[in-house]
Amino acid sequence: DAGVIQSPRHEVTEMGQEVTLRCKPISGHDYLFWYRQTMMRGLELLIYFNNNVPIDDSGMPEDRFSAKMPNASFSTLKIQPSEPRDSAVYFCASSLTPYEQYFGPGTRLTVT
Amino acid sequence: AQKVTQAQTEISVVEKEDVTLDCVYETRDTTYYLFWYKQPPSGELVFLIRRNSFDEQNEISGRYSWNFQKSTSSFNFTITASQVVDSAVYFCALSELLGGTSYGKLTFGQGTILTVHP
Repeated sequence: DAGVIQSPRHEVTEMGQEVTLRCKPISGHDYLFWYRQTMMRGLELLIYFNNNVPIDDSGMPEDRFSAKMPNASFSTLKIQPSEPRDSAVYFCASSLTPYEQYFGPGTRLTVT
Repeated sequence: AQKVTQAQTEISVVEKEDVTLDCVYETRDTTYYLFWYKQPPSGELVFLIRRNSFDEQNEISGRYSWNFQKSTSSFNFTITASQVVDSAVYFCALSELLGGTSYGKLTFGQGTILTVHP
């Protein structure tokens, strides 16, 4: 299996621009998670989906963040408008059961 | 609320030394899962082990071993005969099971940076 695929791997954008991060989970996995990793806050769960339905988005920092999962093989995390404090590594993970999660390589976002 | 504490921010050892990474957790539930993940310098997060709250048997996998002690809410990780390739950030995590098979949030500790010198 190819593992969880994320794109882009690196994104540099200016404050105020829209940013879209993409994720393809492992085929057959029915849970998908979005995390953010920063030095200050560590790894934080932003939102997760089960069978394409958002289950818990309480970790989404504010209305500027939104996530969708239109089908079982694709999810997006959008930030609009982006701010410098959004700079972080964003990970997508998927799992077949609600237990061990398999992570993608991450997207390093820099907002200037 | 659940909490995971990894008190060791950084550990530095010389190759072939044994090293133990500590993890202490807090949860009100009797059913939960504990995990260890490795994040090498390349940045990806690699799943190492899962342990459920009803299984207190220690586990060994090659040079890795895990000691789960429910009485002290600890889930420590030992690397025997460390190697340079073990250099990474190691995360302990906790997931509570919310009724039936409903998933609970995965809460990560702050991580321990392990550096193994040749």
